[in-house]
Amino acid sequence: QKEVEQDPGPLSVPEGAIVSLNCTYSNSAFQYFMWYRQYSRKGPELLMYTYSSGNKEDGRFTAQVDKSSKYISLFIRDSQPSDSATYLCAMSMDSSYKLIFGSGTRLLVRP
Amino acid sequence: GAVVSQHPSRVICKSGTSVKIECRSLDFQATTMFWYRQFPKQSLMLMATSNEGSKATYEQGVEKDKFLINHASLTLSTLTVTSAHPEDSSFYICSAEVTGQGAFTDTQYFGPGTRLTVL
Repeated sequence: QKEVEQDPGPLSVPEGAIVSLNCTYSNSAFQYFMWYRQYSRKGPELLMYTYSSGNKEDGRFTAQVDKSSKYISLFIRDSQPSDSATYLCAMSMDSSYKLIFGSGTRLLVRP
Repeated sequence: GAVVSQHPSRVICKSGTSVKIECRSLDFQATTMFWYRQFPKQSLMLMATSNEGSKATYEQGVEKDKFLINHASLTLSTLTVTSAHPEDSSFYICSAEVTGQGAFTDTQYFGPGTRLTVL
């Protein structure tokens, strides 16, 4: 079993839809949770950074962490074609510890 | 802020040659840099952690004599793939950790990646 599980997709939605992306994990020691967006042939770009449980909102993006269920989510409101990319979740046990990545979910937002 | 660059962005080389990839933090100092490898449609796999002024820490299964890492300054780390072979063809991405104060400290910012093709 992988430490971090993420559905690879692809997930195809119409423009304007609310997108829900999720990851599950097995290591209860993870404390720091991140979402990265990666366009094809580019490096990952940090979108959201959350410590421990709770919600965090930034513009059209909302990150949720449920440590009791070992489940994290990223919601994208009013999705745009420019949001089409691969979304990677990542987590670590300590702020200076190595990141463990999910395999990424490919999102396609249709105009 | 927190911009990381990589050079070159793409390199094609013959089997047996060595290739050097540079990773620079442009607007911040990075005590720690990380090197990842990503195969098509797969996630990032950490290869090694590089700390300025000390030897890199390699992940299990990564040959340190093949993938030489030098973190010579707080803004530059290099990865040298020695005697490259076709199976080393991959997308190599570095990241740098922001240290100090601020909203995104202790998080990693990634470079744009280097696509290596070994013929």
